[in-house]
Amino acid sequence: GQQLNQSPQSMFIQEGEDVSMNCTSSSIFNTWLWYKQDPGEGPVLLIALYKAGELTSNGRLTAQFGITRKDSFLNISASIPSDVGIYFCAGQTPYGGSQGNLIFGKGTKLSVKP
Amino acid sequence: DTGVSQNPRHKITKRGQNVTFRCDPISEHNRLYWYRQTLGQGPEFLTYFQNEAQLEKSRLLSDRFSAERPKGSFSTLEIQRTEQGDSAMYLCASSLAPRLAGEREQFFGPGTRLTVL
Repeated sequence: GQQLNQSPQSMFIQEGEDVSMNCTSSSIFNTWLWYKQDPGEGPVLLIALYKAGELTSNGRLTAQFGITRKDSFLNISASIPSDVGIYFCAGQTPYGGSQGNLIFGKGTKLSVKP
Repeated sequence: DTGVSQNPRHKITKRGQNVTFRCDPISEHNRLYWYRQTLGQGPEFLTYFQNEAQLEKSRLLSDRFSAERPKGSFSTLEIQRTEQGDSAMYLCASSLAPRLAGEREQFFGPGTRLTVL
């Protein structure tokens, strides 16, 4: 089945640092979505990408849809304490009967450096 | 608040009992999705509806699970004869039927946390 590899699994940030995470897929996607999830809550949509090569920003967040359509990355610039949480990439396939559902990575957990 | 809502937020039940969760999507959205999330994992797709029609079911959706969306608005997810392995966060999401690229965005509710003792 389709798999999404998301890395890193976890990272520690210091306020002001830039953060980068990425996802790779074994299959082609026509949509990449990036979500943030806080403990006990549902995922909140951050950025949506629809075309290969597309680069989209939302405030301090920037994400890109890879040219091969099998990868995406998310950058957070000048991190602040409220950026802490779990970030998920999710992809949607254009093929066959599974056009509706999203396939999620396992998440990147962002924590504050002690 | 016009986002996706889910009830209850938490449910504790004993093994073997039946449970039912409700999801109210964003009002103009005709697609509704159910996902399950276990600790340390991303959400996994269970099923989705377009209006009242259930269009796809995952292999994760065993015979003990049933979902309905009778009037194309809210949806219910029922688990019969719950097992400890059913303990998870059950998430609902909604979207427009994606005729255009921008309509593929799925918006999630806060989830229902199920604990089976």
